[in-house]
Amino acid sequence: QKEVEQDPGPLSVPEGAIVSLNCTYSNSAFQYFMWYRQYSRKGPELLMYTYSSGNKEDGRFTAQVDKSSKYISLFIRDSQPSDSATYLCAMIKTGANNLFFGTGTRLTVIP
Amino acid sequence: ETGVTQTPRHLVMGMTNKKSLKCEQHLGHNAMYWYKQSAKKPLELMFVYSLEERVENNSVPSRFSPECPNSSHLFLHLHTLQPEDSALYLCASSQATGGSEKLFFGSGTQLSVL
Repeated sequence: QKEVEQDPGPLSVPEGAIVSLNCTYSNSAFQYFMWYRQYSRKGPELLMYTYSSGNKEDGRFTAQVDKSSKYISLFIRDSQPSDSATYLCAMIKTGANNLFFGTGTRLTVIP
Repeated sequence: ETGVTQTPRHLVMGMTNKKSLKCEQHLGHNAMYWYKQSAKKPLELMFVYSLEERVENNSVPSRFSPECPNSSHLFLHLHTLQPEDSALYLCASSQATGGSEKLFFGSGTQLSVL
């Protein structure tokens, strides 16, 4: 079993839709959770970073962590064509230097 | 443009060639990483340098050889590669302590091995 599972998509939505991206994990030692966004022909960039269970909001983006279910989500409200990218979840254990990534979900927002 | 610069952007090499990938970071970080990104696979950590010492080597074949001459520069030397080594190679940097989760990536080198 992979440590981090992420539906690879692809996912296509109309502009203005609410997007939900999800990852599950198996190791309860993961304590920090991230979402990276990767545009075509670019490296990933950190989008959201959370530590505790609950929600964290940043503009149109909300990251949700449920440690009891080992499940994390990224919600995008009022999606825009510029949100079209691959979204990678990542997580790390306390004190470690090795991030575990999901395979990424490719999102296309259609104008 | 990001604070992490990788060259070259694209590289095509034969199985008997020797080449090097270069990474430079301008963020004042003291940890640098090499990752491999293949289609439909998670990013694979290859090497980590923290304070210029190698601290992670995830069972990477010896045909990949990293070098970190200082905290701003990182190289990946390649020799006698295999076609399955074709992938996007990403360099990243972070603070060594209390920041390993906040990686800053370069745009990568797209490597094709013929």
